[in-house]
Amino acid sequence: QVQLVQSGAEVKRPGASVKVSCKTSGYTFTNYDISWVRQAPGRGLEWMAYISTYNGNTNFAQKLQDRLSMTTDTSTSTAYMELRSLTSDDTAVYYCARVAGREFDYWGQGALVTVSS
Amino acid sequence: DIQMTQSPSSLSASVGDRVTITCQASQDISNFLNWYQQKPGKAPKLLISDASNLKTGVPLRFSGSGSGTDFTFTISSLQPEDIATYYCQQFDNLPVKFTFGPGTKVDIK
Repeated sequence: QVQLVQSGAEVKRPGASVKVSCKTSGYTFTNYDISWVRQAPGRGLEWMAYISTYNGNTNFAQKLQDRLSMTTDTSTSTAYMELRSLTSDDTAVYYCARVAGREFDYWGQGALVTVSS
Repeated sequence: DIQMTQSPSSLSASVGDRVTITCQASQDISNFLNWYQQKPGKAPKLLISDASNLKTGVPLRFSGSGSGTDFTFTISSLQPEDIATYYCQQFDNLPVKFTFGPGTKVDIK
């Protein structure tokens, strides 16, 4: 069955970086793209970025494009998201999601990133 | 950028009630509109794609309709397990971009 399993919770200082992994299984990794979505405490869903697992093409939400990078490792069917220069506003649950055309059909369990001094 | 609005932001209804949520796009998005259910502490779950396509395994009491800029999500008979926040989501192709609505929290009265 399709699974997206994310790395665990992180606590980071302001100004630091965080890297979250998303290990997929149960399907051919390069047949589906990956997006990252975050949710601040008590807030709604915010789309962050998209990466093509086939050719590495990316697109980012404008507000994050200067601090965000994504990579994939096709040998392990894993996607990575790295966010730099963290502030308290980046405290959120970060989700990876499989992109099936125009929708997110499978999601990771989420990774809580807490930014605190 | 396309903006998405949802109304109401929250609602409280009785078990068995019909519940309707609306989602509006700031410009024509054809039928590129999906609906998700998110329960507390859980990842969102895709319920409906392309405005009205009910995903496999999703109860038939859920439905969606609309095209262009105005969309509707309906629960025909609210059940206790439907307590959740519901989000609409649209897709842009050039470049690839996704936008969520602000969400509608559904509670039992």
